[in-house]
This record gives sequence, C-alpha cells and structure tokens, in this order.
Amino acid sequence: LAKTTQPISMDSYEGQEVNITCSHNNIATNDYITWYQQFPSQGPRFIIQGYKTKVTNEVASLFIPADRKSSTLSLPRVSLSDTAVYYCLVGAGAGSYQLTFGKGTKLSVIP
Amino acid sequence: EPEVTQTPSHQVTQMGQEVILRCVPISNHLYFYWYRQILGQKVEFLVSFYNNEISEKSEIFDDQFSVERPDGSNFTLKIRSTKLEDSAMYFCASRGRAEYEQYFGPGTRLTVT
Repeated sequence: LAKTTQPISMDSYEGQEVNITCSHNNIATNDYITWYQQFPSQGPRFIIQGYKTKVTNEVASLFIPADRKSSTLSLPRVSLSDTAVYYCLVGAGAGSYQLTFGKGTKLSVIP
Repeated sequence: EPEVTQTPSHQVTQMGQEVILRCVPISNHLYFYWYRQILGQKVEFLVSFYNNEISEKSEIFDDQFSVERPDGSNFTLKIRSTKLEDSAMYFCASRGRAEYEQYFGPGTRLTVT
C-alpha cells in the first residue's frame, strides 16, 4: 500500500478556499486516490475519488498532477461546518476491500 | 437517503465479558466491513465480509473476534472476551457492487472497564 503524507492540521477563515495536499510517492499504476471526511464522534464520509487530472463534485475538487505522486483536495468557500479531519487514501479503487486511514489533516475553520 | 445504522450507540462492559455489536448495512449492499478507532488515533480496518464469508482481516482481528450475517439485514461483530484495550469506537461500513464508496455507520462506542 502506498504511504501517504498530509499536514497534521490547517486553519482557515470562513469563506476561504482550502487546499489540502497529500503526498503519495509510491502510488501504484492501479491505485486510485480517495478522500474521506470525519466529524468528531462520527464515521468517515466519502468526499471524492480520482485517478488522474481533475475531478469535481458538488462538495470538492481533486487535482492530480500527471506523475500522480501527490494530490490536492480543494474545498471552496469553507464554512464552520467543514471543521473536520480529512483523510487521503490510496488504494486499488473499487476492488479494494479495506480502507487504510492515516492520521489525516485536522481542518479548523475560524469565524 | 439510505444509511448504515448501528446499535447500541454506547456499550459499557466488564473485562472478560462477551459483546455483540450490531449493524444494519444499506439494503442492497453486498460488501460489509468493520473498523475501529481508539480515542485520538486513526481508523483501523478489522475485517471485510462478502458472500457470507470473510474476505480479508487485519492482525487486530484475532480469535477473540467473529462476524456474522445472521439474516438478510444484520451484520454483527462479536468480541468473545473483552480486554481493556478493546475500548474504542467501532464503525460498520457497507458498499454496493458497482461502487467504490464505503458508507459508514455512526459507530458504537465500546467501553471496557
């Protein structure tokens, strides 16, 4: 499994765009990049998944450069309710039976 | 929106006792998982289950643990003889056949005294 590295914590003001970058230098050819969000005392929640270039959904965007050794989760105009831990996971997409979580990035949104 | 449910939300038990944590996955999902999260630590995979058998399990999932899908809706995790270090939040998750997203339940907080 590819090891991931992401910042331990980030602070942002409400209304700002937040970019969280994850490094995964040893990503394999068949690995997908997936981001989950976890609020305190709740289960993780899927945000977005991508393989290369850019993916966008109603919640976030995911930017993946050509070498795929890193990825950036972009949250537009964050609000207080976006305060959570964000996890970057790398694994073989739909065929992966288990999710391997790291320590994640604790995002604190400040009023 | 369909969701995974778990009961109880909080379970307190004495060391050495057996506990059963219950989950109701999303109805048309076929893959089921248990994870745990010790307070302040990362989410750890325990076991995956498909077609009425274990697909994968981690080193944590030793002989004290077992899973079962006793009927068409429930998915249970049994810990035979609880230890203090089993105190954690236990999350159940499920996934559909054509999906990559795992849907997590709200968790059961297990406290072993």
